[in-house]
Amino acid sequence: DGGITQSPKYLFRKEGQNVTLSCEQNLNHDAMYWYRQDPGQGLRLIYYSQIVNDFQKGDIAEGYSVSREKKESFPLTVTSAQKNPTAFYLCASSMANYGYTFGSGTRLTVV
Amino acid sequence: AQSVSQHNHHVILSEAASLELGCNYSYGGTVNLFWYVQYPGQHLQLLLKYFSGDPLVKGIKGFEAEFIKSKFSFNLRKPSVQWSDTAEYFCAVNYHNFNKFYFGSGTKLNVKP
Repeated sequence: DGGITQSPKYLFRKEGQNVTLSCEQNLNHDAMYWYRQDPGQGLRLIYYSQIVNDFQKGDIAEGYSVSREKKESFPLTVTSAQKNPTAFYLCASSMANYGYTFGSGTRLTVV
Repeated sequence: AQSVSQHNHHVILSEAASLELGCNYSYGGTVNLFWYVQYPGQHLQLLLKYFSGDPLVKGIKGFEAEFIKSKFSFNLRKPSVQWSDTAEYFCAVNYHNFNKFYFGSGTKLNVKP
């Protein structure tokens, strides 16, 4: 089945540590996105990439980094510079303007 | 910056009641419009979408939405809700000029059996 796989589903991080969230898709979609979902705030765009080896900052990129070395993969690193990293992170992919396909998400908790 | 507004943050209905969730977006040229649903513990799923043509679009599970261009609105409706419709609903807009999706803040629907 085609889709998006996010791993891990749950992730715990100590303060001061960097962590990387995985996102892989086999839909042959050109564009991939990372969103953060917080209660009452909807989805906020962190980073997006429309082609391999290129990505742009979204609305809340500070404290995050990404890479897009392969079409299928768009990992997100939450750095120690992110002041409030506890959240639900969603990865998505799309082809042109035809809407997103979402992954199942990763819940990150800082302990 | 473009924006998408969902004015109802939390809606509580009894089964068989009718549903209408509001979605308004700011002007930004040609748009594609979407409603996504997130059931408890599950990932976001596409409910319905509007690209062009008939402004009344029908989606899965008996949902429909009407695009009113003059009002910049894309409200979601269902004539008779079920307990299984309990979920969070997100409106999203893709602005062609900016090639970016914007999401509303979501509406939590709680249907009482």
